[in-house]
Amino acid sequence: DAGITQSPRHKVTETGTPVTLRCHQTENHRYMYWYRQDPGHGLRLIHYSYGVKDTDKGEVSDGYSVSRSKTEDFLLTLESATSSQTSVYFCAISEAWGEETQYFGPGTRLLVL
Amino acid sequence: DQQVKQNSPSLSVQEGRISILNCDYTNSMFDYFLWYKKYPAEGPTFLISISSIKDKNEDGRFTVFLNKSAKHLSLHIVPSQPGDSAVYFCAASFSGNTGKLIFGQGTTLQVKP
Repeated sequence: DAGITQSPRHKVTETGTPVTLRCHQTENHRYMYWYRQDPGHGLRLIHYSYGVKDTDKGEVSDGYSVSRSKTEDFLLTLESATSSQTSVYFCAISEAWGEETQYFGPGTRLLVL
Repeated sequence: DQQVKQNSPSLSVQEGRISILNCDYTNSMFDYFLWYKKYPAEGPTFLISISSIKDKNEDGRFTVFLNKSAKHLSLHIVPSQPGDSAVYFCAASFSGNTGKLIFGQGTTLQVKP
């Protein structure tokens, strides 16, 4: 298994509060991704990173920001959480892009009340 | 616009029989396709992939078929085992897209003993 951890694994928060999710990898892979999984939608890309301090938006980036100050850590921040951001969040890594497999972390279950 | 579609939300098969999971896509630029398996409370795990230059890839009990003219791929599991019960996601990407994956909605497979 790829060395990917996510913290916290579960979180309950209130609408309007900031939330930061962390993804940590020990594989030294260049690419890191944040997805959310919702019923009927599969997994949708929020943001991704192609190197330290290099990030870009995915298909559902509104309300989210990311930062990557070190190769091993990729942070996802909900600046002001809303109920529509209740979801399961997955981090993924890959060594390169193109025909490269992405490996996923165990997920963070977030509930926004 | 759902570029990758799994039209069957669920599938139930008997142990030992064949499971066939289907996936359709709309973007002809996709050139790499993957299948992931997901158990509850875990992250997706990579199962098998296929490049658009091939029409079949086999790995043990798992075979993926790609029909480019029909923009259709399928995953065959033979023989099916109870441990194969999970949610299966197909995903697609194309060169120059920094490895971003587009996922289908998922199909829940139940293999009955």
